[in-house]
Amino acid sequence: GAGVSQSPSNKVTEKGKDVELRCDPISGHTALYWYRQSLGQGLEFLIYFQGNSAPDKSGLPSDRFSAERTGGSVSTLTIQRTQQEDSAVYLCASSHRLAGEKLFFGSGTQLSVL
Amino acid sequence: DQQVKQNSPSLSVQEGRISILNCDYTNSMFDYFLWYKKYPAEGPTFLISISSIKDKNEDGRFTVFLNKSAKHLSLHIVPSQPGDSAVYFCAASVHAAGGTSYGKLTFGQGTILTVHP
Repeated sequence: GAGVSQSPSNKVTEKGKDVELRCDPISGHTALYWYRQSLGQGLEFLIYFQGNSAPDKSGLPSDRFSAERTGGSVSTLTIQRTQQEDSAVYLCASSHRLAGEKLFFGSGTQLSVL
Repeated sequence: DQQVKQNSPSLSVQEGRISILNCDYTNSMFDYFLWYKKYPAEGPTFLISISSIKDKNEDGRFTVFLNKSAKHLSLHIVPSQPGDSAVYFCAASVHAAGGTSYGKLTFGQGTILTVHP
């Protein structure tokens, strides 16, 4: 597609449930990132995938968070046993290997944990 | 510990005037800085960047200034237009060994810019 696609755009879940968020990066972009933005906060780095290298998971806030990237393209961010503090906009971005910091973001998934 | 700070939550400017958005950072290892713009219900979009070897970078109406000694950067928009109304995020990164760039960015909290007609 022309841009980074994320689904769903909105997700409401009950505390304790698991959720999966999906990201389709721009074709040809080797790098994929997950960020989140909590209310009134800046964007917080979660995880980074680059080609076949081991992902940089240093931003994941707890072991309830995990992500995978299949076939070097689509990525899924999974949050297990969701908590109210997980409520945020989860943003996926991709970039070309020659312009790593120029991120192209999707519109995000608004996650609300009740 | 907030390594990138945007101390002004909002800024209001008249159309045609200059908008100046400020950003401070604490990590002296940061060597690349960027500004992103975000409209409601959309993801942020890249606006302009600057390497630490420069003190100014200009792109049309947008200029970014970097003062390394003060650990401060600013974004100037001249002239401001109503379509510039958005949230502006400052971001910083540390290049990996060998100068490889990648998008593990540290973002500020954002400044809401409103440009009045």
